Amino acid sequence: DGGITQSPKYLFRKEGQNVTLSCEQNLNHDAMYWYRQDPGQGLRLIYYSQIVNDFQKGDIAEGYSVSREKKESFPLTVTSAQKNPTAFYLCASSTTSSSALYEQYFGPGTRLTVT
Amino acid sequence: ELKVEQNPLFLSMQEGKNYTIYCNYSTTSDRLYWYRQDPGKSLESLFVLLSNGAVKQEGRLMASLDTKARLSTLHITAAVHDLSATYFCAVRPRNFGNEKLTFGTGTRLTIIP
Repeated sequence: DGGITQSPKYLFRKEGQNVTLSCEQNLNHDAMYWYRQDPGQGLRLIYYSQIVNDFQKGDIAEGYSVSREKKESFPLTVTSAQKNPTAFYLCASSTTSSSALYEQYFGPGTRLTVT
Repeated sequence: ELKVEQNPLFLSMQEGKNYTIYCNYSTTSDRLYWYRQDPGKSLESLFVLLSNGAVKQEGRLMASLDTKARLSTLHITAAVHDLSATYFCAVRPRNFGNEKLTFGTGTRLTIIP
């Protein structure tokens, strides 16, 4: 089955620790995205990547880092510099073909709790 | 900066009633998307609207797009409890090479039996 997987589903960490969230897709999509969602809020873009080995900051990139070494994978590291990391993190992917709908498909999400 | 506003933010309605959610955006766009999110879950794509006057329907949901007014609507007909969810619109700016979407704040819809 084609889709996007995120792991783990739930993650608990102590303050001051870095943590890496996994996102893998087998849809052969070029573009991948990371969003953060706080309770009762919309989605805010953290980072996005349109091609392997290249990525751009989104609206709230401070305290986060990403890599895109493979087309299928776009891991997100939440560093200790992120002041309020507790949130629901969603990964998405889309095609970049000029004839495409650019529709983003979302993974199931990772709920991160930092205490 | 692109801004996407939805209203209402919260909507509680009785089963069987009709209602409309509005999505306004601040810049020209060539793609508008509607998503559904159930509590604690991810986002599910509902509609992609590509051009002025576009209308898409799926079951009791119908989405439309007016690019001149920079407005999209999501109309719910004869609501049923299963439609209770948060609905987001998202806009892709008409900026070649820019694949970013900007999401609205969402409308939390509760259908009361």
